[in-house]
Amino acid sequence: EVQLVESGGGLVQPGGSLRLSCAASGFSFSSFFMSCVRQAPGKGLEWVATIKQDASEKYYVDSVKGRFIISRDNAQNSVHLQMNSLRGEDTAVYYCVRGGRSHYDYWGQGTLVTVSS
Amino acid sequence: QSVLTQPPSASETPGQRVTISCSGSSSNIGTNTVNWYRQLPGTAPKLLIYDTNQRPSGVPDRFSGSKSGTSASLAISGLQSEDEADYYCAARDDSLNGVVFGGGTKLTVL
Repeated sequence: EVQLVESGGGLVQPGGSLRLSCAASGFSFSSFFMSCVRQAPGKGLEWVATIKQDASEKYYVDSVKGRFIISRDNAQNSVHLQMNSLRGEDTAVYYCVRGGRSHYDYWGQGTLVTVSS
Repeated sequence: QSVLTQPPSASETPGQRVTISCSGSSSNIGTNTVNWYRQLPGTAPKLLIYDTNQRPSGVPDRFSGSKSGTSASLAISGLQSEDEADYYCAARDDSLNGVVFGGGTKLTVL
């Protein structure tokens, strides 16, 4: 059974940092693109970042470029999102998803990030 | 303002058919496949249609997808009360070098 379990969310002050992690299981992790999609409270879905199987390519939505870094550890079947210089508009539930190019076939349960003073 | 445009709401009675539209441009829907997601209240989204018109295993054939030019559609026939949810379209955008979502459509089964 494919499972994606996020962790690391919480309350952080504006300008602060947070590192989200996603533990994957039930599939050949190193064979898949992995992505992050977020959803602000009461709002729609927004793609955040994607990382290729071997981490040789990474893609980001413009609003997080230079602030967020996506990485992966294929030995540990995990993907991480380092979020720096956080802003109020980054407040959202962050989902770890399997896939890229808008085809996301498995989603984690999400972890809430709240940026507030 | 989402890159892909969906109606914010739709409604229909049980047993009937409803169509949800998703309008884009040549850089996204015009050149790439479309995926659809359903999100039940308080839960993570779930893939409903991939590659414009393919259903993942377990998704009933009441759900179908199509595309024409720079617009796509999701059709749900034989509406059931449990189909009440938010529906999102998504596609890769070659100009943005990323993925764009529609703003979502809240479906109400009357």
